Amino acid sequence: AQKITQTQPGMFVQEKEAVTLDCTYDTSDPSYGLFWYKQPSSGEMIFLIYQGSYDQQNATEGRYSLNFQKARKSANLVISASQLGDSAMYFCAMRVSGNEKLTFGTGTRLTIIP
Amino acid sequence: GAVVSQHPSWVICKSGTSVKIECRSLDFQATTMFWYRQFPKQSLMLMATSNEGSKATYEQGVEKDKFLINHASLTLSTLTVTSAHPEDSSFYICSARDRSSSGRWEQFFGPGTRLTVL
Repeated sequence: AQKITQTQPGMFVQEKEAVTLDCTYDTSDPSYGLFWYKQPSSGEMIFLIYQGSYDQQNATEGRYSLNFQKARKSANLVISASQLGDSAMYFCAMRVSGNEKLTFGTGTRLTIIP
Repeated sequence: GAVVSQHPSWVICKSGTSVKIECRSLDFQATTMFWYRQFPKQSLMLMATSNEGSKATYEQGVEKDKFLINHASLTLSTLTVTSAHPEDSSFYICSARDRSSSGRWEQFFGPGTRLTVL
């Protein structure tokens, strides 16, 4: 079974600072993918970034980057130059090879302070 | 591309009534759709996987007779909450599977439906 752990229920960050949201995972499957989603108060799930277990480089998408440490089974999301619009819930999720299901963590509520 | 809609966006109903929620893939065909449930301040929990033309696969602990799923076409899946009770009040989110621009299979999420049962 797969498990995603997000240990930070909430974070407050000053605008324009960088922020790291933690995510650790557990799976015995060697092939898997890790996702980060943003959920604003309106409720929709917005895909941010993806990291495959065999990807050699850490994924980056604009201000988002994923600090993938395979040996530690961690996939932390880094948001650079935070903006007020970044305030939302952030979920880490995992999917293993051959299985369509996504397993989600409990989420981190990020609040950007002006 | 890969836009998913849900209808209604919110619904309030009386206890004992049934509520149908629609999930549509607007610009692609989805053989597989997923239904999630999210309680306030909690994570998304997968309820079932909906496959076009066949029976849905329910997760352990989800009552299939209470949460009826129909995936009759490649662009529409419906979730019917039968004989709804206050404990069924939740945020229901669907997703549809499609290939992203990178070629990877991904789930594209709908905006969600907030159900309140009085």
